[in-house]
Amino acid sequence: GESVGLHLPTLSVQEGDNSIINCAYSNSASDYFIWYKQESGKGPQFIIDIRSNMDKRQGQRVTVLLNKTVKHLSLQIAATQPGDSAVYFCAEKRSNYGGSQGNLIFGKGTKLSVKP
Amino acid sequence: DTEVTQTPKHLVMGMTNKKSLKCEQHMGHRAMYWYKQKAKKPPELMFVYSYEKLSINESVPSRFSPECPNSSLLNLHLHALQPEDSALYLCASSQGAGTSSTRTDTQYFGPGTRLTVL
Repeated sequence: GESVGLHLPTLSVQEGDNSIINCAYSNSASDYFIWYKQESGKGPQFIIDIRSNMDKRQGQRVTVLLNKTVKHLSLQIAATQPGDSAVYFCAEKRSNYGGSQGNLIFGKGTKLSVKP
Repeated sequence: DTEVTQTPKHLVMGMTNKKSLKCEQHMGHRAMYWYKQKAKKPPELMFVYSYEKLSINESVPSRFSPECPNSSLLNLHLHALQPEDSALYLCASSQGAGTSSTRTDTQYFGPGTRLTVL
């Protein structure tokens, strides 16, 4: 079926290393993607987004890569810090789903643990 | 400022109680959302309000009743809930232009209300 999912439910990295969190999507009609970070007991926090007419976008210490050929999205975090420990969700917006707002479809999430 | 506030932070209620969750944003956003999130699961959309009108109801039971008094406020009225309704309830808002540009309409989330139904 059509879904947004993540390859790994958990990821453990050493402080200072780079982290890569992956996400697969199956609907080629999806044209907007967002990464959210959710710390324990808090709401999802917007990290970075990318439109389908781009294949790479960079923020502060984060980079999102979009490969439309294989329907794959990744979030790269440079020099991972203990404060990066959280659950990371990818979300897609499908242009042919729902009403005029267009709904976000969330992936299952990856828990990132950073070892000091 | 991308702040969405929610009250209360925690709520414990019995199955016969009536309570309300509140959400507020002052970013001038015209779309507001309610999500339900169970432990270790992604958020699930419940309702969408666009320009203070309910535009999407994702087949949510009638014991959940949303209300949008104005463009800055969103309420979720709760009545006769079940223990399985215990979850984190998240509010979000976005610019909500109501056009194709909503495809890149970023949603900003509040901290959530942790609801426990006894």
